[in-house]
Amino acid sequence: QKEVEQNSGPLSVPEGAIASLNCTYSDRGSQSFFWYRQYSGKSPELIMFIYSNGDKEDGRFTAQLNKASQYVSLLIRDSQPSDSATYLCVTRGYQKVTFGIGTKLQVIP
Amino acid sequence: DGGITQSPKYLFRKEGQNVTLSCEQNLNHDAMYWYRQDPGQGLRLIYYSQIVNDFQKGDIAEGYSVSREKKESFPLTVTSAQKNPTAFYLCASKASPGYYGYTFGSGTRLTVV
Repeated sequence: QKEVEQNSGPLSVPEGAIASLNCTYSDRGSQSFFWYRQYSGKSPELIMFIYSNGDKEDGRFTAQLNKASQYVSLLIRDSQPSDSATYLCVTRGYQKVTFGIGTKLQVIP
Repeated sequence: DGGITQSPKYLFRKEGQNVTLSCEQNLNHDAMYWYRQDPGQGLRLIYYSQIVNDFQKGDIAEGYSVSREKKESFPLTVTSAQKNPTAFYLCASKASPGYYGYTFGSGTRLTVV
């Protein structure tokens, strides 16, 4: 079992729809969770982080965390073609940061 | 503007050759990291440094070496002992080891020819 599991995709959504990206993790000691966006050939950039159960909203992005289920998700509302990228789920436990393989999102105009 | 600069953007290595990837930051960050990214795999940690003149091996340090003589600089050498060096290399920094979130450089794509 991978420490951080993501479906590699691609996940295709029409422009204006809600994109839902999911991630599960195996380390119950994980304390904080991050979503990075990576455009093809570019470096990752941090878009959201969350460390408490529940939802955290920032503009069109909502991160959701459920520690009991070891599940974290990212919702992108009103998806735009510029959101097309790979989204990396990252967990931070005690002195260890683990990256998922990323989910490729395609927003279709 | 503050940031992390990696150079070169593209690098070609011949068999048996050592090459050095540059990473410079002007963010005044204490912690710096080197990651490797391969298709279908998450980023894997090669080396990290939390303070000048100190660094630690990550998960895949074999065939790599680093130095941290200055706070701003954390170069990575890919030695001939690294048998499969073709990858995208990312340098990152954080204000302190516990600070949330990395700032990444633009990456170096290394290819063995």
